[in-house]
Amino acid sequence: QVQLVQSGTEVKKPGSSVKVSCKASRGTFNNFAINWVRQAPGQGLEWMGGAIPIFGIANHARQFQGRVTITADRSTNTAYLELNSLRSDDTAMYYCATLRLGELSLFDHWGQGTLVTVSS
Amino acid sequence: QSVLTQPPPASGTPGQRVTISCSGSSSNIGNNTVNWYQKLPGAAPKLLIYSNNQRPSGVPGRFSGSKYGTSASLAISGLQSDDEAVYYCATWDDTLKAVVFGGGTKLTVL
Repeated sequence: QVQLVQSGTEVKKPGSSVKVSCKASRGTFNNFAINWVRQAPGQGLEWMGGAIPIFGIANHARQFQGRVTITADRSTNTAYLELNSLRSDDTAMYYCATLRLGELSLFDHWGQGTLVTVSS
Repeated sequence: QSVLTQPPPASGTPGQRVTISCSGSSSNIGNNTVNWYQKLPGAAPKLLIYSNNQRPSGVPGRFSGSKYGTSASLAISGLQSDDEAVYYCATWDDTLKAVVFGGGTKLTVL
C-alpha cells in the first residue's frame, strides 16, 4: 500500500513562490504517476497537473500555465509542486495523489495535504 | 464554473437510498471513464468508485456507480450518518487535455 507524506504548512507573501514535496513510501515511481489537486476554502477539488503516463507526457491545467512546475526525483521517490507568483486565491490545501498507470483520472492514494496560505 | 455539473446539495434519512448525478459532454464523460471521490471534512479525498462502476476493496457494497452517455451517477443505499461528506465525480476531458472534477455534492444525513 503506497503512502504519500507531504511537507508541512506554508505561509507565503503575494508574489512569492512555494514548493511542496510529496514523498512516497512502500512503492516506487515506476508503478504510478504523481499528480496534484488543490482545494481552496469553501471550494471544490481542482486538478493542477502531473504526469500522464498513458500519453507519455506531463500536463497541467491551463489556468496554471507559466506558474506551475511539477518535478520528481526518482532516486528519493519524492515529487515536487512549485507554484510561482502566488496570489491570495492560491490559498488552499494542496494534495498529491497517485494516478494509476493506464488511467487518466483514477487517483488511488492521496497525501495528507499541505496547507498553503498566501497573505500579506 | 465546473465542466462537470453536480447538484450542490443532497440529503436523505438513515436507511434511505440517494443518488448523485454528474453531467458532462462528449469530450469528457461521453468518451472516458468516471471516478467518484468522497471528501470528509479535514481528510484527504478517497477513491470511492472507479471506471464508472467498480468499487475499490474496502468500499461497502452500498456504494454503486453507473454511466449513461454523457452522464454518470453515484448511488448510496442504506444511508448512514458517516456517509455525510462531499462527493465529487471526475474524468478526463479530451478537449481541455485535463482532469476535470465536478463541483461536488454535499450529502447531509438528516
